[in-house]
Amino acid sequence: QKEVEQDPGPLSVPEGAIVSLNCTYSNSAFQYFMWYRQYSRKGPELLMYTYSSGNKEDGRFTAQVDKSSKYISLFIRDSQPSDSATYLCAMKVARGYQKVTFGTGTKLQVIP
Amino acid sequence: DVKVTQSSRYLVKRTGEKVFLECVQDMDHENMFWYRQDPGLGLRLIYFSYDVKMKEKGDIPEGYSVSREKKERFSLILESASTNQTSMYLCASSGSGNTIYFGEGSWLTVV
Repeated sequence: QKEVEQDPGPLSVPEGAIVSLNCTYSNSAFQYFMWYRQYSRKGPELLMYTYSSGNKEDGRFTAQVDKSSKYISLFIRDSQPSDSATYLCAMKVARGYQKVTFGTGTKLQVIP
Repeated sequence: DVKVTQSSRYLVKRTGEKVFLECVQDMDHENMFWYRQDPGLGLRLIYFSYDVKMKEKGDIPEGYSVSREKKERFSLILESASTNQTSMYLCASSGSGNTIYFGEGSWLTVV
């Protein structure tokens, strides 16, 4: 079993829809949770990070962590064609700890 | 803006060749990483370095070596390239915080 599971998609939604992307994990020691966005043939870029449980909002993006269920989500409101990309969840056990475990990514397509 | 630069975007090499992938970062970051990314397998850590001349094995170090002679530069070396090393290679760097900054990637094809 992988430490981090993420549905690969692809996920196709119409423009303006609310998108929900999810990851589950098995290591209860994970405390820092991140979402990266990766456009085709580009390197990943950090979208958001959260510490421990709770919600964090940044514009149209909301990251949610439920440590009791070992489940994290990224919500995208009013999705745009420019949001079409692969979204990778990532997590690690401590702030200074450099080993990051990534999900395999979910490919999202927003149809105009 | 943080910049991680991978000098070669697309390479085609023959089986058995020695391959060098170079990476430079401009943010004075202590930590640098090499990942490979394959469909269905995601990002897998090959090696990382937390200081000049220091290196640590990641999850899949076999067939690879690294060199960090200067703080800003981290090289990945394939001593004898094989077809199963055809992949996208991503260099990254980070400071003391949570953010890892990635380069654009190097697409390597071994024939």
